[in-house]
Amino acid sequence: RKEVEQDPGPFNVPEGATVAFNCTYSNSASQSFFWYRQDCRKEPKLLMSVYSSGNEDGRFTAQLNRASQYISLLIRDSKLSDSATYLCVALYGNKLVFGAGTILRVKS
Amino acid sequence: NAGVTQTPKFRILKIGQSMTLQCTQDMNHNYMYWYRQDPGMGLKLIYYSVGAGITDKGEVPNGYNVSRSTTEDFPLRLELAAPSQTSVYFCASTPSVGAFFGQGTRLTVV
Repeated sequence: RKEVEQDPGPFNVPEGATVAFNCTYSNSASQSFFWYRQDCRKEPKLLMSVYSSGNEDGRFTAQLNRASQYISLLIRDSKLSDSATYLCVALYGNKLVFGAGTILRVKS
Repeated sequence: NAGVTQTPKFRILKIGQSMTLQCTQDMNHNYMYWYRQDPGMGLKLIYYSVGAGITDKGEVPNGYNVSRSTTEDFPLRLELAAPSQTSVYFCASTPSVGAFFGQGTRLTVV
């Protein structure tokens, strides 16, 4: 079983839609979690950290459920510029472990 | 405001050749990582370091070596390049949370 698993998608949504991505992790000892965004042929960039209490940054909301070992990312009012691959990341000890990513395509 | 700098950006190697991918960060981060990303796939951890003089293997270390003589530099060495090492290589550094990535090195082994 992979340490971090994501639905690869692609998710094809119209502009203005709300879309949610899910991620599960296998190691309950993981300390921290993040969502990264990766544009085609570019380096990953940190989108936001994920906390048990849930956190919001503009149109983006991240949530962590430690009991279910589940992480989510909600994007509201999708923009064309949100089209990218979204990577779920867990910190195990000193290692950052990446999921394979979920592809989002926002269409006009 | 350099952040994490990787060189070269592109390289073509012949089978059996060796090369070093350079990675430098100017943020005084202790943690540094090397990942490879194959087309359409996620990032796989090759090696990582928690500080100068300390390195550890990640998920896919075979065929690679690293060193960390300074906080700033974390070079990745490929010995006897193989076609299976064709990939995009990313270096990252982090103070504790939120890693910063270099722009990547696209390596092709032919």
